[in-house]
Amino acid sequence: AQSVTQPDIHITVSEGASLELRCNYSYGATPYLFWYVQSPGQGLQLLLKYFSGDTLVQGIKGFEAEFKRSQSSFNLRKPSVHWSDAAEYFCAVGPNQAGTALIFGKGTTLSVSS
Amino acid sequence: NAGVTQTPKFQVLKTGQSMTLQCAQDMNHEYMSWYRQDPGMGLRLIHYSVGAGITDQGEVPNGYNVSRSTTEDFPLRLLSAAPSQTSVYFCASKSFNYGYTFGSGTRLTVV
Repeated sequence: AQSVTQPDIHITVSEGASLELRCNYSYGATPYLFWYVQSPGQGLQLLLKYFSGDTLVQGIKGFEAEFKRSQSSFNLRKPSVHWSDAAEYFCAVGPNQAGTALIFGKGTTLSVSS
Repeated sequence: NAGVTQTPKFQVLKTGQSMTLQCAQDMNHEYMSWYRQDPGMGLRLIHYSVGAGITDQGEVPNGYNVSRSTTEDFPLRLLSAAPSQTSVYFCASKSFNYGYTFGSGTRLTVV
């Protein structure tokens, strides 16, 4: 079955510290992988995506993610977190079996402490 | 381009009422889908469509109907609203090269 697991429900990081959000997936073929961010009361913003090629993907706002096929992982990283990064982060894999939609993880809430 | 437009942005319904959440896209995407977002649950797929006249159920379809009479529009209908349908609803469309565009969401409260 296709699924996405984000093991950490909530993470707190000090401002200026590095960040890694974990994402593991179960998928029968080569997946397309995505990270979205959602600020409170807002919609989804695409941070980055991986389709093929270089397994280290650069995104917006200084984020990057690394695809590791052997570990079925697509972890999101940022070297120095800013207070404005506090939000909820969703990892997603696609497409679903019908080829139409994304399968989302349950999300990780990031808090940033000063 | 407007992308994916959802209306209304906010709605309060009484239990048993019906309503339609509107979703329109102007990118000529064939694939469209509806998700609901609940705290701690991520986004779950309700219904999807692979083109005009073709729809199918996703993970959580109960209580919702959809239709796709045109490529542009994909409305989601609640026939008899229940408090369990209180959620944030997102519509999305998918391009041929796997670019997913999401609407800004509809926040629905059923009392």
